[in-house]
Amino acid sequence: DGGITQSPKYLFRKEGQNVTLSCEQNLNHDAMYWYRQDPGQGLRLIYYSQIVNDFQKGDIAEGYSVSREKKESFPLTVTSAQKNPTAFYLCASSMGGNTIYFGEGSWLTVV
Amino acid sequence: GQQVMQIPQYQHVQEGEDFTTYCNSSTTLSNIQWYKQRPGGHPVFLIQLVKSGEVKKQKRLTFQFGEAKKNSSLHITATQTTDVGTYFCAGGPGGKLIFGQGTELSVKP
Repeated sequence: DGGITQSPKYLFRKEGQNVTLSCEQNLNHDAMYWYRQDPGQGLRLIYYSQIVNDFQKGDIAEGYSVSREKKESFPLTVTSAQKNPTAFYLCASSMGGNTIYFGEGSWLTVV
Repeated sequence: GQQVMQIPQYQHVQEGEDFTTYCNSSTTLSNIQWYKQRPGGHPVFLIQLVKSGEVKKQKRLTFQFGEAKKNSSLHITATQTTDVGTYFCAGGPGGKLIFGQGTELSVKP
């Protein structure tokens, strides 16, 4: 819980815009994740990274992009190709597949 | 691909009643984890089960991992209003955890 910072907490996006959600962790965790949460659908994995400069697509990667240039940072860009981006986005980290610690989340709304 | 299913999706109970949520995986899991998300909050880790047939307790919460390591359950005895929230199970290979849809628990005082 503590140690993972997501920003902004609330973000509004206009149609056709790209937006970037920030995620920083000071837990020295190797792995980082981005999940999307919609009502009644639980958590769906967008992208994950197990090591710096490497990341893999999750189940719903289309319309999203990530980078992992530093161990502590894993920003998520929601591109204009994502047709239904309004959701709650959760960043998380873990040390090698063990307990996942989540940030407090970012609410993205398309206006 | 791997799927993790959870039932029921919603459960409404009177305070003091028991509550159980069930989790089933399409594949054998190396471990299963449970998380709780309070309304408006983020998921918080509760417990991890690793061994076949493992049972762990946390006060009024009892967690079980099936013998085949493909299913799990969370049982809450004598629910309280503080138990309100959505309970998720999660499992998967290595670091790629797959979450169930969650069971939303509401407790009427």
